[in-house]
Amino acid sequence: DAGVIQSPRHEVTEMGQEVTLRCKPISGHNSLFWYRQTMMRGLELLIYFNNNVPIDDSGMPEDRFSAKMPNASFSTLKIQPSEPRDSAVYFCASSLRRTGGVEKLFFGSGTQLSVL
Amino acid sequence: QKEVEQDPGPLSVPEGAIVSLNCTYSNSAFQYFMWYRQYSRKGPELLMYTYSSGNKEDGRFTAQVDKSSKYISLFIRDSQPSDSATYLCAMISNDYKLSFGAGTTVTVRA
Repeated sequence: DAGVIQSPRHEVTEMGQEVTLRCKPISGHNSLFWYRQTMMRGLELLIYFNNNVPIDDSGMPEDRFSAKMPNASFSTLKIQPSEPRDSAVYFCASSLRRTGGVEKLFFGSGTQLSVL
Repeated sequence: QKEVEQDPGPLSVPEGAIVSLNCTYSNSAFQYFMWYRQYSRKGPELLMYTYSSGNKEDGRFTAQVDKSSKYISLFIRDSQPSDSATYLCAMISNDYKLSFGAGTTVTVRA
């Protein structure tokens, strides 16, 4: 299994530009998470999908952020317009959510975003 | 106050030493306790998980949970340079939201 695949690995953009991050979860997994990691705030959950449906987006910082999951094998996180404070590593994670068991998250390698 | 507090580190130890990592938490609803390992420029990977007080061993790794004190630990015996990474504790109640500690960076010197 290839694991969770994220693209691009690095993104450098200018303030005001649109940024789109992509994620392919592990085949068969039914939950998908977008996290952001910074030195100051650690790992923060942005949004959670279950069976392609957004369940909780309370962690999305503001309206500039949006996420979609059009099918079970693809998700995007979009920032429009981007700002320097959005600079961080963005991780996608997927899991197989089952009743009564611990949810084991599998993370991708992340996208390092730098907004100049 | 954060739900999960983790000793900040960093830790630097010689090869073969025992590494001790600690987290405290405030939410009594947490049921599952996990440790993730994150290598530089990689995503976190699940190392161990447990759901009861006591010890759980996996090779050189021991996870310890004390629910009465709201305290968890990870011990690494006979540490190796390949153990150099950031270790994050994580906890979950009965929903989907993992609460992560800030992470402790460990360097094992050869």
